[in-house]
Amino acid sequence: QSVLTQPPSVSGAPGQRVTISCTGSSSNIGAGYGVHWYQQFPGTAPKLLIFANNNRPAGVPDRFSGSKSGTSASLAISGLQADDEADYYCQSYGSSLSGSVFGTGTKVIVL
Amino acid sequence: QLQLQESGPGLVKPPETLSLTCSVSGGSIRTGSYYWAWIRQPPGKGLEWIGSIFYSESTYFNPSLKSRVTISVDTSKNQFSLELSSVTAADTAVYYCARHVLVGWDLVNFDSWGQGTLVTVSS
Repeated sequence: QSVLTQPPSVSGAPGQRVTISCTGSSSNIGAGYGVHWYQQFPGTAPKLLIFANNNRPAGVPDRFSGSKSGTSASLAISGLQADDEADYYCQSYGSSLSGSVFGTGTKVIVL
Repeated sequence: QLQLQESGPGLVKPPETLSLTCSVSGGSIRTGSYYWAWIRQPPGKGLEWIGSIFYSESTYFNPSLKSRVTISVDTSKNQFSLELSSVTAADTAVYYCARHVLVGWDLVNFDSWGQGTLVTVSS
């Protein structure tokens, strides 16, 4: 059972900005652990999108940005494009009781 | 460029042991900056971290799976392996191997993934 909660889906028209929330607790995100985000297309492996709250690996467009506050984090996608339609997962560390933990996942739908 | 490739049986009978190997190419598994991880994803569901191993064989496990999981490393072959015992249908999933970034003493994100392999548990 995931300890990081995400909305099942978010949607937006091309060009719009959407945000995905990742809600944790004082034992994971709120304890100061970094939050990372992954993008996954159907039938493929997840790809690292954002690491350490707000850092993009080489090659990831700056349309993707991350933030963190308190026990939650967010991923924002600006200038939404059709090929952004995918599943997105947050991930953090959940203390020695749970180790690395993933969010429940959010499907981004481009209208 | 680092590449990871999972291999192993696609069908396992309950309550046997699931065994998978991840072959790493384009980089050495003997690096002080990374652990090596197993992650799974049941069909239509989310991601679940199984465990991670360092080249020195230090390991960390998901507490919910720890009693059934063994992860080992073979530095001579640049491979690491997963064994999951007493499997049931609930263990049916795509199993991924991945590189787990180590920053100081903290295991953080997974920055490189294999393509994944589907393992079905069925009699």
